[in-house]
Amino acid sequence: GQQVMQIPQYQHVQEGEDFTTYCNSSTTLSNIQWYKQRPGGHPVFLIQLVKSGEVKKQKRLTFQFGEAKKNSSLHITATQTTDVGTYFCAGQNDYKLSFGAGTTVTVRA
Amino acid sequence: DGGITQSPKYLFRKEGQNVTLSCEQNLNHDAMYWYRQDPGQGLRLIYYSQIVNDFQKGDIAEGYSVSREKKESFPLTVTSAQKNPTAFYLCASSIRTGGKYEQYFGPGTRLTVT
Repeated sequence: GQQVMQIPQYQHVQEGEDFTTYCNSSTTLSNIQWYKQRPGGHPVFLIQLVKSGEVKKQKRLTFQFGEAKKNSSLHITATQTTDVGTYFCAGQNDYKLSFGAGTTVTVRA
Repeated sequence: DGGITQSPKYLFRKEGQNVTLSCEQNLNHDAMYWYRQDPGQGLRLIYYSQIVNDFQKGDIAEGYSVSREKKESFPLTVTSAQKNPTAFYLCASSIRTGGKYEQYFGPGTRLTVT
């Protein structure tokens, strides 16, 4: 079945620095979605990427979908304490999503 | 105010007992899902339902059962056959509109079985 791998599992970032989390699928994806889960909360949808090579930006967050539609990345610039949480990528397969294990981000002021 | 509700937030049960987790949505979404989340792992799909009176097993359905008698409701029963039931359970729903498949999650139920 479809497997989605995400690295790194943990990211400890100095406030103001940039970081990137990566997502790789064993199969070609129809689309990829990104979710954010704050500590003690539930996942909240951030964005969906559909087209090969697509790049989308949300303020300090930049999402990219690979040319082969098998990988994706999330880059956060100038990290803030509000960025704390776990970021999940999820590959779409018909009605189902296959989630990566997530990257848990902590920020030191 | 539209959304997904899950109750209760925390649930404690003794080993050997079945327990049913509630999930209700008023978003008029056709598809509903149950996930299990364990520390350090992503969300794993237990069951999903695309329409009323129909549901399919996900990746880890053993020891669980569901029903979908109403569009708004998708309860999950954790049976005594589930070997490691202590986990955070998340319910979600989605609708296909204009090619968007985003899922909306409820607040979750944290189940502890001792």
